[in-house]
Amino acid sequence: DAGVIQSPRHEVTEMGQEVTLRCKPISGHDYLFWYRQTMMRGLELLIYFNNNVPIDDSGMPEDRFSAKMPNASFSTLKIQPSEPRDSAVYFCASSLRGGVNEQYFGPGTRLTVT
Amino acid sequence: ILNVEQSPQSLHVQEGDSTNFTCSFPSSNFYALHWYRWETAKSPEALFVMTLNGDEKKKGRISATLNTKEGYSYLYIKGSQPEDSATYLCAYTSGSARQLTFGSGTQLTVLP
Repeated sequence: DAGVIQSPRHEVTEMGQEVTLRCKPISGHDYLFWYRQTMMRGLELLIYFNNNVPIDDSGMPEDRFSAKMPNASFSTLKIQPSEPRDSAVYFCASSLRGGVNEQYFGPGTRLTVT
Repeated sequence: ILNVEQSPQSLHVQEGDSTNFTCSFPSSNFYALHWYRWETAKSPEALFVMTLNGDEKKKGRISATLNTKEGYSYLYIKGSQPEDSATYLCAYTSGSARQLTFGSGTQLTVLP
């Protein structure tokens, strides 16, 4: 298996632009998680899905952030409009059966908003 | 304890030294405790998942123990090597929750 795939690996954009981050989980995994890593807050959970359904989006910072999972093999995290404070590394992770099994993390997308 | 707390925040040891760090978590409604290893510029990789009080897990020179009644887990590294340098994260999940709450990590540097 190729593991969790994220794209792009790096994204540089200007303030106000729309940014879309993509994730392909490991085949067969039923949970998908989006995290954000910053120096100030460490690794924080933004949203997670179970069987393509969003379960908890309480970590999404504000309405500018949205996430979808149209099928079991694809998810997107969209920021519109982007702001400099959104600059961070965004990780996608997937797991089988949630909390009792380990999560497999993708390589992350480093987002820079200027 | 309301959140996951890890100590120390950072640690420098000499090659060959053994070391350990602590993860504290809420003891009520415990479900699972995870340890991850996170190297700089890479993504976190799972080391262990533990669910039962008294669990001990081992992978090579790294081992972990779990005490769910008092809410702590220890990670041990025997004979540290420079390649062990990384941030070690613990994460906790409770009850019916399926998401993890991560600690802030212990950053280990092993000096040659």
